[in-house]
Amino acid sequence: QKEVEQNSGPLSVPEGAIASLNCTYSDRGSQSFFWYRQYSGKSPELIMSIYSNGDKEDGRFTAQLNKASQYVSLLIRDSQPSDSATYLCAVNTGNQFYFGTGTSLTVIP
Amino acid sequence: DTGVSQDPRHKITKRGQNVTFRCDPISEHNRLYWYRQTLGQGPEFLTYFQNEAQLEKSRLLSDRFSAERPKGSFSTLEIQRTEQGDSAMYLCASSFWRGAYTGELFFGEGSRLTVL
Repeated sequence: QKEVEQNSGPLSVPEGAIASLNCTYSDRGSQSFFWYRQYSGKSPELIMSIYSNGDKEDGRFTAQLNKASQYVSLLIRDSQPSDSATYLCAVNTGNQFYFGTGTSLTVIP
Repeated sequence: DTGVSQDPRHKITKRGQNVTFRCDPISEHNRLYWYRQTLGQGPEFLTYFQNEAQLEKSRLLSDRFSAERPKGSFSTLEIQRTEQGDSAMYLCASSFWRGAYTGELFFGEGSRLTVL
């Protein structure tokens, strides 16, 4: 079983819609959770971190964490074509950062 | 804060040659990680350092791979006798760690290796 699981997509949404990305993890001892955006051929860029249960909002992005369900999600409101990228979920277990394989998002103008 | 920097950005080599990548982390970060990423996959852990100590190395990592962080600042990743399967993006990242707190992980721009 992989440490971090994501739906690889592709996920397509129209411009202005809400994009919803999901992630599950296997280690109940995981302490912190991250979302990265990665454009093709580029390195991952941190967009959100979340450390406790509940929601965390930053501009158009909202991260949601449910430790009981071992579930992390990212909502992107008012999606823009520039949001088209692969979104990586990452989990820290204290020492290691584990990454999912990413969800490819396309925002259609 | 100049971010994480990696050099070279691109490297093309012939099979059997040795290659070395360098990473300069964010100055106040004490942990440095190396990852490998191939197309369609997430970053795969290779090894990490806390200051100059190499604390963990992936069991999947061939003994052709070696990494150092001699003074707890920059790090090098060397691949000996390269194979075509080594072609990938090699990512360096750094974070700050203190006790129970692990800060966010920031990546460099990566070093893309092509083995012919």
